[in-house]
Amino acid sequence: AQSVTQLGSHVSVSEGALVLLRCNYSSSVPPYLFWYVQYPNQGLQLLLKYTSAATLVKGINGFEAEFKKSETSFHLTKPSAHMSDAAEYFCAVTLYSSASKIIFGSGTRLSIRP
Amino acid sequence: NAGVTQTPKFQVLKTGQSMTLQCAQDMNHEYMSWYRQDPGMGLRLIHYSVGAGITDQGEVPNGYNVSRSTTEDFPLRLLSAAPSQTSVYFCASRSTGGAEGYTFGSGTRLTVV
Repeated sequence: AQSVTQLGSHVSVSEGALVLLRCNYSSSVPPYLFWYVQYPNQGLQLLLKYTSAATLVKGINGFEAEFKKSETSFHLTKPSAHMSDAAEYFCAVTLYSSASKIIFGSGTRLSIRP
Repeated sequence: NAGVTQTPKFQVLKTGQSMTLQCAQDMNHEYMSWYRQDPGMGLRLIHYSVGAGITDQGEVPNGYNVSRSTTEDFPLRLLSAAPSQTSVYFCASRSTGGAEGYTFGSGTRLTVV
């Protein structure tokens, strides 16, 4: 069975600083991996996805993530944080299958300091 | 706009009452799921469906029922509401295969008093 672990329930960075949100996965076969963002009082929005094509994936709002099979990681980064990036971020994993469930990490709340 | 529509957005129930949370999608997605979101616990899967007439339990199914009579609709029923079911509920759908990820509804905030 697959699983995902997000390291750090809360990350705080200064505006303009690098954002790094960590995600490690466990899967017996190559997975699909996703990052979702949730702004306050809203649903989840897909930020980016890895589906076995390029290992460096670019998403919306300047975010990107790199799939590293040897480290079973899919960390999310952004070179320069903006105040509007403050939100909760979820990493998720699934397998290619019509019946496969998507498993979410517990989330990381990102705060941006002025 | 295409997407996942959840109703109601807010609901207050008394302990023991029943209600149905509605979810509809217009993207012809086969796969639909219900999640609950609680502080510090991420999203936990309640029930899911891989197509009309087929449903299965997730990790926290107790106290909830679902049915899937059409591809578009996937209602979640609370049989006898309990304070422990106070949460934010999200419905999500995706196409077969999973490569596109989920499309989420905007959520239902439920309070049981």
